[in-house]
Amino acid sequence: GQNIDQPTEMTATEGAIVQINCTYQTSGFNGLFWYQQHAGEAPTFLSYNVLDGLEEKGRFSSFLSRSKGYSYLLLKELQMKDSASYLCAVMDSNYQLIWGAGTKLIIKP
Amino acid sequence: NAGVTQTPKFRILKIGQSMTLQCTQDMNHNYMYWYRQDPGMGLKLIYYSVGAGITDKGEVPNGYNVSRSTTEDFPLRLELAAPSQTSVYFCASKDRDTGELFFGEGSRLTVL
Repeated sequence: GQNIDQPTEMTATEGAIVQINCTYQTSGFNGLFWYQQHAGEAPTFLSYNVLDGLEEKGRFSSFLSRSKGYSYLLLKELQMKDSASYLCAVMDSNYQLIWGAGTKLIIKP
Repeated sequence: NAGVTQTPKFRILKIGQSMTLQCTQDMNHNYMYWYRQDPGMGLKLIYYSVGAGITDKGEVPNGYNVSRSTTEDFPLRLELAAPSQTSVYFCASKDRDTGELFFGEGSRLTVL
């Protein structure tokens, strides 16, 4: 079966750095997405990785290792507004997205 | 920029009632999706469409129907609502070049 694993909840301090991990087992791989979802709102796109390595976009970076079936989202200089759920999703061989359950990130002052 | 618009935002249904969730996008995307999201769970694909006149089942299609008569519109029909269909429903369209999904604001449905 297809499976995406990510921690259920993480807590971090304002101004700090946090890394959210995602491991996957899917039938084929055509890219990995990270989405941010604030409570009661729709998911919004953060990043897309299809090749191994690190993609940096401002305070957010995303890393992919296809051989390990592993990705992480790195958030730097955390702000209170970063409190949200972070969803990992993998596009499989049929170009369908398989979603993880999301990681709820709590930022404390 | 409207993007993806879905209505209604909130609805309460009685068991056995039917309703349609509307979804419209103005980005000329061929690919459109309906997901449901239950508390603490990931998004589950209900139905999807790769273009006008073409629809296909996703992971959890039972109890739902869709149609795609135009590129812009992709309504989701719930027949004989059941408490198990209490959820938040998201419509999305996909930019084929980037793979990015654009979501509507969501529709919170409660079946009592």
